[in-house]
Amino acid sequence: SQQGEEDPQALSIQEGENATMNCSYKTSINNLQWYRQNSGRGLVHLILIRSNEREKHSGRLRVTLDTSKKSSSLLITASRAADTASYFCATDAAGGTSYGKLTFGQGTILTVHP
Amino acid sequence: EPEVTQTPSHQVTQMGQEVILRCVPISNHLYFYWYRQILGQKVEFLVSFYNNEISEKSEIFDDQFSVERPDGSNFTLKIRSTKLEDSAMYFCASVYMPGNTIYFGEGSWLTVV
Repeated sequence: SQQGEEDPQALSIQEGENATMNCSYKTSINNLQWYRQNSGRGLVHLILIRSNEREKHSGRLRVTLDTSKKSSSLLITASRAADTASYFCATDAAGGTSYGKLTFGQGTILTVHP
Repeated sequence: EPEVTQTPSHQVTQMGQEVILRCVPISNHLYFYWYRQILGQKVEFLVSFYNNEISEKSEIFDDQFSVERPDGSNFTLKIRSTKLEDSAMYFCASVYMPGNTIYFGEGSWLTVV
């Protein structure tokens, strides 16, 4: 798989349920960032997790990072219809001079039914 | 919260025409980027810009593309002679220093006909 691959590609749940999206990557990273994109709109930053961190929380969002497995997960608890969007992980690769270039995955399309 | 702003939000252009997409990054940010997203595909890196020069570019960013920071606030992407395959959403992004949150604009939809 390519750097920053999300799994599943699509997720459909009911309001109130939790949604978990996974991201795998291939190279060592400085950090991993999760973004949300409503259809045809811009990329909204959700959480940044650094390579020396294992878990971060922000409101209903929980992100974990396992650098030994080169994977991350995004958990949205108590989902709402307004959470319907595409979610992307993006990695800032380690090594060399970092200018902050991000490599994005294909994304997970989350649909939350009212 | 400060934001990256982009204009135009949507542009339709004839194949072979020049296009300039404009961006105003967040004011104290030092690193600037352009990315693009072809419909239904992943977001792809085009170029990064720091200290008034290109610091990194992808193989997509060929001689038809150029970037400029003409003044202290604007950051532009120029496509000299557009092709059909340049049709995409173009995102501008900025960050104060790599390793921090990278903020993206709302994007500019470019349709080449």
